[in-house]
Amino acid sequence: AQSVAQPEDQVNVAEGNPLTVKCTYSVSGNPYLFWYVQYPNRGLQFLLKYITGDNLVKGSYGFEAEFNKSQTSFHLKKPSALVSDSALYFCAVRDIYSGGGADGLTFGKGTHLIIQP
Amino acid sequence: DGGITQSPKYLFRKEGQNVTLSCEQNLNHDAMYWYRQDPGQGLRLIYYSQIVNDFQKGDIAEGYSVSREKKESFPLTVTSAQKNPTAFYLCASSIGLAPYNEQFFGPGTRLTVL
Repeated sequence: AQSVAQPEDQVNVAEGNPLTVKCTYSVSGNPYLFWYVQYPNRGLQFLLKYITGDNLVKGSYGFEAEFNKSQTSFHLKKPSALVSDSALYFCAVRDIYSGGGADGLTFGKGTHLIIQP
Repeated sequence: DGGITQSPKYLFRKEGQNVTLSCEQNLNHDAMYWYRQDPGQGLRLIYYSQIVNDFQKGDIAEGYSVSREKKESFPLTVTSAQKNPTAFYLCASSIGLAPYNEQFFGPGTRLTVL
């Protein structure tokens, strides 16, 4: 079984400050990890993913995420937040041995990121 | 939203009615998915399809049905057997089912039962 936890329902950050959205995961094998962003009443947009290799992954819109195997975490970060970054962020995990269906991609419950001007 | 279209954007259903949500993609992706999104619950997988004329149940398939007659199209029918259908429905696609493939999402359909 696999699972994802996003421990914060909401994160508030002042514009220009660095931001972190937390994600921890549990898989039986090795993980593939993803971050998606959702703006109100829209579909999800892919931001970045970790497959293998460098633990620091860079993605769209200046976001990056750090894979930490010992802490089973994949936190999303950005050095300087913009008001336009305000949205709902989802972390997702897949065991490298999984197929689709119930053993496929598992999403966290999402974190609302609010960037204050 | 990455070459995936969903229609309608808003849909209202009376109790006892079946309704069909459309999903079309022009990305030439093999795999397609339907998710249901409820507030505070993340996304839950309803059905997925790897190839034409083949589809598999996800975690919450009861009360839903799908078809995959064309590679580009994966419509979802919400039947009267689905007791709580009010939700935001998202269609997605990926190049294949391999676990390292990211999924691309459509803009969603918001279904409300009257």
